[in-house]
Amino acid sequence: AQTVTQSQPEMSVQEAETVTLSCTYDTSESDYYLFWYKQPPSRQMILVIRQEAYKQQNATENRFSVNFQKAAKSFSLKISDSQLGDAAMYFCAYRSARNNDMRFGAGTRLTVKP
Amino acid sequence: ETGVTQSPTHLIKTRGQQVTLRCSSQSGHNTVSWYQQALGQGPQFIFQYYREEENGRGNFPPRFSGLQFPNYSSELNVNALELDDSALYLCASSSRDRVEKLFFGSGTQLSVL
Repeated sequence: AQTVTQSQPEMSVQEAETVTLSCTYDTSESDYYLFWYKQPPSRQMILVIRQEAYKQQNATENRFSVNFQKAAKSFSLKISDSQLGDAAMYFCAYRSARNNDMRFGAGTRLTVKP
Repeated sequence: ETGVTQSPTHLIKTRGQQVTLRCSSQSGHNTVSWYQQALGQGPQFIFQYYREEENGRGNFPPRFSGLQFPNYSSELNVNALELDDSALYLCASSSRDRVEKLFFGSGTQLSVL
């Protein structure tokens, strides 16, 4: 079964600095999707960035980028120029291309200090 | 374009009771998924509905059941509530051809006493 591990329960970053959140996953499949979701106190899960496993190029969305290492099964999120509004829970997620079951990690709570 | 809406936002039930949670999907989306998020954990997939039929299920007992209506809105029903059912229940909608792109609602916080 696929599992997603986030080894950092909490992270802290100074405003305008850069922070990297870690994620590893376990799968025997070759075709899948990886995601980072943000969950602010409003509880709504917001998609931050998505990576298709067949794409070698790392996904980028403005200040957010990923380091996707398929062989190592690693999928880290880098947030550049951190803003106060980035403070939230961040969840890494895996979804097989074959089914509808999206697996989430336990989350990393990001604090941004002014 | 309306987003995903869930009702109610909070709910308190007692053990053994039954509960129904509701979800209106985002305009244009025909697929709805439900997730359970226990305190301090990531969401867990319960099931997905497409064209009014269950289209995938996670590791949840049969007392968790659902419905999808012709307008693509959905219900999650939980029978014989247990204390461990206390959690945030999230609904997410997507289009069939882009099921990897989920849009989530703000959830229903269920407390079972």
